[in-house]
Amino acid sequence: GENVEQHPSTLSVQEGDSAVIKCTYSDSASNYFPWYKQELGKRPQLIIDIRSNVGEKKDQRIAVTLNKTAKHFSLHITETQPEDSAVYFCAASQAGTALIFGKGTTLSVSS
Amino acid sequence: NAGVTQTPKFQVLKTGQSMTLQCAQDMNHNSMYWYRQDPGMGLRLIYYSASEGTTDKGEVPNGYNVSRLNKREFSLRLESAAPSQTSVYFCASSVQIMNTEAFFGQGTRLTVV
Repeated sequence: GENVEQHPSTLSVQEGDSAVIKCTYSDSASNYFPWYKQELGKRPQLIIDIRSNVGEKKDQRIAVTLNKTAKHFSLHITETQPEDSAVYFCAASQAGTALIFGKGTTLSVSS
Repeated sequence: NAGVTQTPKFQVLKTGQSMTLQCAQDMNHNSMYWYRQDPGMGLRLIYYSASEGTTDKGEVPNGYNVSRLNKREFSLRLESAAPSQTSVYFCASSVQIMNTEAFFGQGTRLTVV
């Protein structure tokens, strides 16, 4: 089955800096790669996703890139703000299967 | 719309006791999921139901059973709770199982003593 590795497990940045979180997946048949944000004590919520026919997607300060050949994808957050502090999860799935998540990255943005 | 609703929010069980976690969604979604979240382990898939009438094992199914009662409801049962099942359980749903956003419930914090 699919296996998703996520790095780093913790990331601390200064407000205004950029943050990058990287994930690799094992199953070349995977074709959907979402990112979820979970604030303390809350439920995970989708922030951005990318499908295998696209190499990059951007939404304001966040962007995701996908390299299908290398089987890795990354989340980029620019101009970080304290409210970006949360746990971020990457995930992967293929047709007919449920999402498999990485272990998460705790992002801390200090002002 | 309430989205995905889980009951209960908190539960303490003694080892060996059984219980059922309830999940209901009002978004007319076809697919539903159960995940558990443990510190440093991320969200691990227990069972999922791609559509009404079907269920499949996920990454960590041992010790659990599920029932897709109807399109709206998907329950998770612990037949004989163990301390290793202490976790936060999340139910989620999506329009379909392929390439679509999963919406999560608020979670159930379960402690087995």
